[in-house]
Amino acid sequence: GAVVSQHPSWVICKSGTSVKIECRSLDFQATTMFWYRQFPKQSLMLMATSNEGSKATYEQGVEKDKFLINHASLTLSTLTVTSAHPEDSSFYICSAMDRATANYGYTFGSGTRLTVV
Amino acid sequence: GESVGLHLPTLSVQEGDNSIINCAYSNSASDYFIWYKQESGKGPQFIIDIRSNMDKRQGQRVTVLLNKTVKHLSLQIAATQPGDSAVYFCAESLQAGTALIFGKGTTLSVSS
Repeated sequence: GAVVSQHPSWVICKSGTSVKIECRSLDFQATTMFWYRQFPKQSLMLMATSNEGSKATYEQGVEKDKFLINHASLTLSTLTVTSAHPEDSSFYICSAMDRATANYGYTFGSGTRLTVV
Repeated sequence: GESVGLHLPTLSVQEGDNSIINCAYSNSASDYFIWYKQESGKGPQFIIDIRSNMDKRQGQRVTVLLNKTVKHLSLQIAATQPGDSAVYFCAESLQAGTALIFGKGTTLSVSS
C-alpha cells in the first residue's frame, strides 16, 4: 500500500531558529500534499495544500512567511518553520494524495513532534 | 466555515462490546467521508471510507453509516478490543481530491 515517510519524528529547537520537516511518498507519486498541525487533545487543523511545482495554498490564519512549504518533486514536500517560538510547538502531520487510486488515497505520515524551547 | 463535529468526546466500553462513534457534518455537499484512528504520538490510520452515494459500508469488524438527511456519520466497531483504544476522527472532503476537514475526535477507551 501507499506509504508516506515523515522526518524527523521529533525535534527540539531553540527559539528563533528554523526547523525543516520532510514528507516523502515512498511508492507513489503525490501530486498534492497537505500539511496539518495538531495541538494536544485537539483535532488536526489544515495549514496548507501543496501542489507539485506550484506555490502552496495556505489556510486563513496561517502565516505563509513563517511556514514555508516547498513541493519541488512528486515525492517530496518540506515544511520549514522559520524563527520558531514556543507557541509553534505542536505535532505536524503531512498527508499525500495518490491520484492513481479511485478515492484519491489520502495517506498520512507518522507526524513530527516539534518542541521549541 | 464548514466543520465536522462529534457528539461525544469520550466513550468507554468493555472488551467484547460493540462501540458506536458518532459524527455530525455541516456541509451537505461533502462527497467523501473517512474514519481515522489515531494512537498517541502517531499519524492518523485509515479505518474505512464512504462516498456520499452510499449509506452503508462494511469492513472487517467496522461499519460506517451515512445519513445524508440529517448529515450524520457513525462508526460501528464490533467486538471491541483493548487494541481499539485510541482517538477516532471523522473527516470529510468537500470535493474528491480536496483537503480533508477533521472533526474534534472521540477517545475510545476499552477495558478488559
